Amino acid sequence: GEDVEQSLFLSVREGDSSVINCTYTDSSSTYLYWYKQEPGAGLQLLTYIFSNMDMKQDQRLTVLLNKKDKHLSLRIADTQTGDSAIYFCAESSHSGGYQKVTFGTGTKLQVIP
Amino acid sequence: ETGVTQTPRHLVMGMTNKKSLKCEQHLGHNAMYWYKQSAKKPLELMFVYNFKEQTENNSVPSRFSPECPNSSHLFLHLHTLQPEDSALYLCASSQVERERTGELFFGEGSRLTVL
Repeated sequence: GEDVEQSLFLSVREGDSSVINCTYTDSSSTYLYWYKQEPGAGLQLLTYIFSNMDMKQDQRLTVLLNKKDKHLSLRIADTQTGDSAIYFCAESSHSGGYQKVTFGTGTKLQVIP
Repeated sequence: ETGVTQTPRHLVMGMTNKKSLKCEQHLGHNAMYWYKQSAKKPLELMFVYNFKEQTENNSVPSRFSPECPNSSHLFLHLHTLQPEDSALYLCASSQVERERTGELFFGEGSRLTVL
């Protein structure tokens, strides 16, 4: 079945850039996503990229997609303490009339003041 | 406020109890999902309802029983659970159309502890 892998933990200093990496196995993915989960909350979509793109930038966020290597990354520039959260990588493909979304384990980002 | 409300937020139950988790979405979406979140494991899709019809059941044990009476409400009935079922149960909804991005809108989750 589909598989999404990411490291469990990342620690950075405030003001530095954070890079969270993810690999996936499904070559038929249509969209790839980054979701953010703050403590005590559910997941919220942070950004997404269509599978025929290789880069997307949105303010402090840069998403890079290497479709050949099935590698997705999220770069957060000028990381702030408010960015501390769990970041989930996910991919979707159309299945049985709905978008089947497969998630990774989540990467817990700790920002040190 | 994501438009998806889950109750209860916390639940402690014994292995012989029967309880239910409830989810309600106010977004007019046509698909609803149950996910299980356990530490250090990928978020696990349990059930999908599309237009109230169950379209996915990811080999979930029968001690978990979903119910979707209409497109706005989703329940997860629990009975004879095991301690390893302790986890955060997340409900989500989406609007299923081919041109959509497939964004899921999550509730805040129900933290379940099985003693």
